[in-house]
Amino acid sequence: DAKTTQPNSMESNEEEPVHLPCNHSTISGTDYIHWYRQLPSQGPEYVIHGLTSNVNNRMASLAIAEDRKSSTLILHRATLRDAAVYYCILRDEAGGGSNYKLTFGKGTLLTVNP
Amino acid sequence: DADVTQTPRNRITKTGKRIMLECSQTKGHDRMYWYRQDPGLGLQLIYYSFDVKDINKGEISDGYSVSRQAQAKFSLSLESAIPNQTALYFCATSDTRVNHGYTFGSGTRLTVV
Repeated sequence: DAKTTQPNSMESNEEEPVHLPCNHSTISGTDYIHWYRQLPSQGPEYVIHGLTSNVNNRMASLAIAEDRKSSTLILHRATLRDAAVYYCILRDEAGGGSNYKLTFGKGTLLTVNP
Repeated sequence: DADVTQTPRNRITKTGKRIMLECSQTKGHDRMYWYRQDPGLGLQLIYYSFDVKDINKGEISDGYSVSRQAQAKFSLSLESAIPNQTALYFCATSDTRVNHGYTFGSGTRLTVV
């Protein structure tokens, strides 16, 4: 399975942008890059995903390097509610076709300072 | 009501007891998963099911069994609970037809004493 590497922790100040990095040097051509976050005492929550092009949604932006060996999750203005563990995950295709499962690592603990 | 409901939310049980954790979903998703999370660690996949007749072992299936009673229901059993199965357990769902990610339940905190 392709693996990801993330910093254990990062800090940010409220209302400032946050760039959360992820390295995935062994990514294969058909692996999608997914990001989830887990707020304290809650289950993980889907944030965003992409394959090759940068992606934007209401929660965040995903910037994918041209060689796809790294990506960055961008929170444009951090709030206290964004304090969470952020997981960068590569899609792991099981059974071929459209079947897949996600393998979670330890993620990055984001602290947001008021 | 939550899209993915796990019961119970908290449970304390004794070593050697059989216990079942239940998960039901109203999203109409075909795929369901059980994960375990230990303090300070990421999630580990226990079992997953891509449809009612499909059950697959994950990374840490020893000591666990599952049943997919219907498309909307996926239960996890610990046949004989042991203390190192104390953890937070999450159920999740996803849909073959759309790649919108997983939806997770709120978790079951299990303590084996």
